[in-house]
Amino acid sequence: DGGITQSPKYLFRKEGQNVTLSCEQNLNHDAMYWYRQDPGQGLRLIYYSQIVNDFQKGDIAEGYSVSREKKESFPLTVTSAQKNPTAFYLCASSIRSGGGTDTQYFGPGTRLTVL
Amino acid sequence: GQNIDQPTEMTATEGAIVQINCTYQTSGFNGLFWYQQHAGEAPTFLSYNVLDGLEEKGRFSSFLSRSKGYSYLLLKELQMKDSASYLCVGAGGYQKVTFGTGTKLQVIP
Repeated sequence: DGGITQSPKYLFRKEGQNVTLSCEQNLNHDAMYWYRQDPGQGLRLIYYSQIVNDFQKGDIAEGYSVSREKKESFPLTVTSAQKNPTAFYLCASSIRSGGGTDTQYFGPGTRLTVL
Repeated sequence: GQNIDQPTEMTATEGAIVQINCTYQTSGFNGLFWYQQHAGEAPTFLSYNVLDGLEEKGRFSSFLSRSKGYSYLLLKELQMKDSASYLCVGAGGYQKVTFGTGTKLQVIP
């Protein structure tokens, strides 16, 4: 089955530790995205990548880092510099049709709690 | 930038019809998406409108009026499993989307 996987579903970390969230897709999509969702707020874009070895900051990139070494994978690292990291993190992917806005398909999410 | 406005909560009865409205302001318009999100789960794609008018997909329909900056999602024959948040998402510019805060729909017996 094609889809997007994120692991783990729940993650607990101590304050001051870096943590990496995985995102893998086998949909052959070029573009991948990371969002953060907090209660009462819409999804906010952290980083996105339109192609391998290239990525761009979203609206709230501070305290986060990403890499895109393979088309299928787009891991997100939450660093100790992120002031309020506890949130629900969603990864998405889309084709890159070259024009317009393509539908994004989401993974199941990782709920990160920093203690 | 974009601004998306939709009601925070709605309640409707099983078997009924409910309309969830969304207004948007955008500096560049490239269509409007609707997603469904059950609590604790990922958003799932429902519809995408880029032209004016109504698009129907089974029990769900989505409407767009670009001149009014307005869209709605219509759910017919409501079922208990339709209890979820419905996200209105504006597309402005190449691959740029803005998510609304979502409308939490509760379906009651």
